[in-house]
Amino acid sequence: NAGVTQTPKFRILKIGQSMTLQCAQDMNHNYMYWYRQDPGMGLKLIYYSVGAGITDKGEVPNGYNVSRSTTEDFPLRLELAAPSQTSVYFCASTNQGFRVNTEAFFGQGTRLTVV
Amino acid sequence: DAKTTQPPSMDCAEGRAANLPCNHSTISGNEYVYWYRQIHSQGPQYIIHGLKNNETNEMASLIITEDRKSSTLILPHATLRDTAVYYCIVRANTGGFKTIFGAGTRLFVKA
Repeated sequence: NAGVTQTPKFRILKIGQSMTLQCAQDMNHNYMYWYRQDPGMGLKLIYYSVGAGITDKGEVPNGYNVSRSTTEDFPLRLELAAPSQTSVYFCASTNQGFRVNTEAFFGQGTRLTVV
Repeated sequence: DAKTTQPPSMDCAEGRAANLPCNHSTISGNEYVYWYRQIHSQGPQYIIHGLKNNETNEMASLIITEDRKSSTLILPHATLRDTAVYYCIVRANTGGFKTIFGAGTRLFVKA
């Protein structure tokens, strides 16, 4: 199994441009998440989804949008990129939110620079 | 989810045990202690978790105090490849993984 796959690995955007960060998982996980990590900091939750068609905001949703049309895919959309969105973005998934032994699986990250 | 406090950095000699502390004094009865690590900006990797009993797996041991207000992650024989940022997370077993990662502890394993 590939686990959680993120594309692209690196991207440079100009201010005001838009892009979509792709995330796919092949573990049939219900829950998926997007985090961002600024240099030297922990991870902050942007958006999450508990299943296809259902999404909700995390700590820092402003400037981002998500959709979840299938169980496998959870793309993150940046409209009007700003320098403050320069960060490393991680996608993660978990099997079921209500299970005791819920281990989160993370992708390898997308390093985004907005100039 | 309860907040955790970890030292910002620690050193450990290769081959020795690395003991990483975590304080979680506001932990609730239904909250578990999880440990993850992040090697060189890769995605975080699950290590171990526990509720109140000590736990051990092939990667590490987790020691939770009797009052559950603190815990220690033990890497019994640290190697250079264990150099990473280690995150202690406290969360309930419901509501998915809407959890907050703090800054963690940066562990340097030295030869």
